Amino acid sequence: EPEVTQTPSHQVTQMGQEVILRCVPISNHLYFYWYRQILGQKVEFLVSFYNNEISEKSEIFDDQFSVERPDGSNFTLKIRSTKLEDSAMYFCASSWGAGLQETQYFGPGTRLLVL
Amino acid sequence: AQSVTQLDSHVSVSEGTPVLLRCNYSSSYSPSLFWYVQHPNKGLQLLLKYTSAATLVKGINGFEAEFKKSETSFHLTKPSAHMSDAAEYFCVVSDGGRGSYIPTFGRGTSLIVHP
Repeated sequence: EPEVTQTPSHQVTQMGQEVILRCVPISNHLYFYWYRQILGQKVEFLVSFYNNEISEKSEIFDDQFSVERPDGSNFTLKIRSTKLEDSAMYFCASSWGAGLQETQYFGPGTRLLVL
Repeated sequence: AQSVTQLDSHVSVSEGTPVLLRCNYSSSYSPSLFWYVQHPNKGLQLLLKYTSAATLVKGINGFEAEFKKSETSFHLTKPSAHMSDAAEYFCVVSDGGRGSYIPTFGRGTSLIVHP
């Protein structure tokens, strides 16, 4: 069964450094998403991406975040200058469509720790 | 605005006994509701979803949930727990309000299964 993969599984970085989290969505999916879950808190939506542009983003997704689909398979989340409060589990997801009927398929997550 | 409340942060059952994980939602529209499960070090996996068809929804691994509009509930049940059911369970709502399909997650319920 096809699945979403994410690398790395764990990332430790110093405050102020840039990090890039990578995801490989399911191959025939058209919509891509990033979520995060701070330890002990809810899973929160960050951004959705379709047709090489952002379709929706939350208030969390400020100027320090960016997303890119650099080739036909990868979908990346870049955090330009990490803060302590960026420490969280980051989930990538993909879906074929965007309506209420559509199921999002999630990756296993990348645990980011900012020191 | 949509919201979802998972009433229990932890539920503990014995193997072979019924499981009940409670979820209440709030929405101004006709929502879709989902239950996801997350096993340790794995991605979020869809258990089942309600999208305005039959109110009793059957999912994978023997789980089912009933959409009750009058009670704004979407509780997850299973007749007999198995050790492999031990995991984190998330109730999710998405109502398409103002053209947005961004889902809102509950805080999660940790299911503990005792032998």
